[in-house]
Amino acid sequence: QVQLVESGGGVVQPGGSLRLSCAASGFIFSNTDMHWVRQAPGKGPEWVAFIHFGGALTYYAESVKGRFTISRDNSKNTLHLQMNSLRPEDTAFYHCANTEGSRWELLNFWGQGTLVTVSS
Amino acid sequence: DIQMTQSPASVSASVGDSVTITCRASQAISNWLAWFQQKPGKAPKLLIFPASSLQSGVPSRFSGSGSGTDFTLTISSLQPEDFATYYCQQANAFPVTFGQGTRLEIK
Repeated sequence: QVQLVESGGGVVQPGGSLRLSCAASGFIFSNTDMHWVRQAPGKGPEWVAFIHFGGALTYYAESVKGRFTISRDNSKNTLHLQMNSLRPEDTAFYHCANTEGSRWELLNFWGQGTLVTVSS
Repeated sequence: DIQMTQSPASVSASVGDSVTITCRASQAISNWLAWFQQKPGKAPKLLIFPASSLQSGVPSRFSGSGSGTDFTLTISSLQPEDFATYYCQQANAFPVTFGQGTRLEIK
């Protein structure tokens, strides 16, 4: 069955950096577009970033553009999110999600998430 | 960006009742609308996409309708496990956007 397991979260000071990873299994990762989406505690989801299956095409939310970088290693079935210049408002659970079918914008299956806390 | 407006923000109902949640897009999105269910401490689960197509394994008491800008999620004959928060998401264009959520509570 599909599994997405995020890691790399933690507590970081404002201005700091963190790199999240998402280990994928149960589907053909190298043929699947992927997303990062975040959810602050008690709030609704906020889409963060998208990467095409080949890795050449990416999209970002305005709130993270220029600070976050999505990437993937298809040889290791792993998705990454490099987060720089972190702000308190970036505090959230970060989930990776896959797509299915022809619609890139659909977040199909979500991992359980990893918590990022930005605080001094 | 496409704004998604969900209503109501919360609703109370009893087991066996039927409830309807609405989602309105700020511009036409054809039928590229997804509905998710989220339980406390869990990731959102995809229920319906596009607009009216039930995902595999989702009970038939869930149904979706609509196209263009106005969409509804109806849950008939509520079961105890249905009490959760529901979100709509537009899959028409980037940036992907979500509704604010509807919390379904037991009366």
